[in-house]
Amino acid sequence: QKEVEQNSGPLSVPEGAIASLNCTYSDRVSQSFFWYRQYSGKSPELIMSIYSNGDKEDGRFTAQLNKASQYVSLLIRDSQPSDSATYLCAVTRGVTGRRALTFGSGTRLQVQP
Amino acid sequence: SQTIHQWPATLVQPVGSPLSLECTVEGTSNPNLYWYRQAAGRGLQLLFYSVGIGQISSEVPQNLSASRPQDRQFILSSKKLLLSDSGFYLCAWSVWDSSGNTIYFGEGSWLTVV
Repeated sequence: QKEVEQNSGPLSVPEGAIASLNCTYSDRVSQSFFWYRQYSGKSPELIMSIYSNGDKEDGRFTAQLNKASQYVSLLIRDSQPSDSATYLCAVTRGVTGRRALTFGSGTRLQVQP
Repeated sequence: SQTIHQWPATLVQPVGSPLSLECTVEGTSNPNLYWYRQAAGRGLQLLFYSVGIGQISSEVPQNLSASRPQDRQFILSSKKLLLSDSGFYLCAWSVWDSSGNTIYFGEGSWLTVV
């Protein structure tokens, strides 16, 4: 079982729709969760982080965390063609654990104009 | 503000040649530093991380080594490159704060071993 799993996609949504990206993780000790966006040929850029169960909103992005189910998701409202990219989910342990992020393989999102 | 610089951006190296990728961070002190590799169409694989000068942890056995000669400098090296070393190499940094341990990436280095 992979530590962090994502559906590779592509996930195709029409412009203006809500894109829903999902991620599951296997290490119950994980405490910090991140979503990165990676355009083709570029390095990942941080979209947002979440540490507590529930929802966290930042502009058009909402991250959702459910530690009991070991599940984290990212919702993108009013999707734009510029949102087309690969979205990487990453997790890390707390202070007492290894500090590096473990990444999923990413979900490719295509927003159709 | 903090910035991270990584170079060279691209390089093509023959099999058996040496490698040196360098990364520096500005605007922060005592950062955690990381080297990740992303093979074509694959996820990010952690290669090395460092919590301080001279302190290097290796995640996977491989043909590469890392060094941290200064607080904000991280170097990835190889004595003899293999074809399988081709990929996108990313240096990253993080600092623990009230938000946790958020990692930020450099621009990356594309390595093609021929």
